Amino acid sequence: AQSVSQHNHHVILSEAASLELGCNYSYGGTVNLFWYVQYPGQHLQLLLKYFSGDPLVKGIKGFEAEFIKSKFSFNLRKPSVQWSDTAEYFCAVNAPAAGSNDYKLSFGAGTTVTVRA
Amino acid sequence: ETGVTQTPRHLVMGMTNKKSLKCEQHLGHNAMYWYKQSAKKPLELMFVYSLEERVENNSVPSRFSPECPNSSHLFLHLHTLQPEDSALYLCASSPRQAGGHDTQYFGPGTRLTVL
Repeated sequence: AQSVSQHNHHVILSEAASLELGCNYSYGGTVNLFWYVQYPGQHLQLLLKYFSGDPLVKGIKGFEAEFIKSKFSFNLRKPSVQWSDTAEYFCAVNAPAAGSNDYKLSFGAGTTVTVRA
Repeated sequence: ETGVTQTPRHLVMGMTNKKSLKCEQHLGHNAMYWYKQSAKKPLELMFVYSLEERVENNSVPSRFSPECPNSSHLFLHLHTLQPEDSALYLCASSPRQAGGHDTQYFGPGTRLTVL
């Protein structure tokens, strides 16, 4: 079964600092990749997704992510964070389940980002 | 966003109670999902319904019983739960597009506490 690893459990940074959150997955075939964000008290929202094409994907709120197939990675970046970016960030990978053509969405454990004003 | 709604938002129940969680999607999607979200753990997929037919059940204990009467509504019936079942239960829906080009949209969740 595919696994999704988010290396940082908690990241604390100041406003205007740059942010990069790591995400690696284990599946070797074609994958579809997502980053979701969960602001305090709110529901999971889609930040961006990659299906094919340009491996540098731009999402909402100034976020972008780069798919590097050789590294099985899909890292999330933002050049300059704001206090309102304080949230939990989840990487997710949609890939065929073992022995099946059905796709299954697997999530990482999440990274909590705290931005200090 | 109100594409996927869940009620109640908070629920406290004893181990002998029976309760139900409700999810409704207003996006015209074909698939609906139940997830369990526990602190510092990946979201755990519990059930998947596609066109009202259950297509996946990830070894979930029978004290959790899903129901999907139509493509817009999904229920999770709870019976004799354990304290370790306390978590945030998320509902999601998706168009169920082929080839993995499918995006799930989530509701706000029900925060469940089992005493």
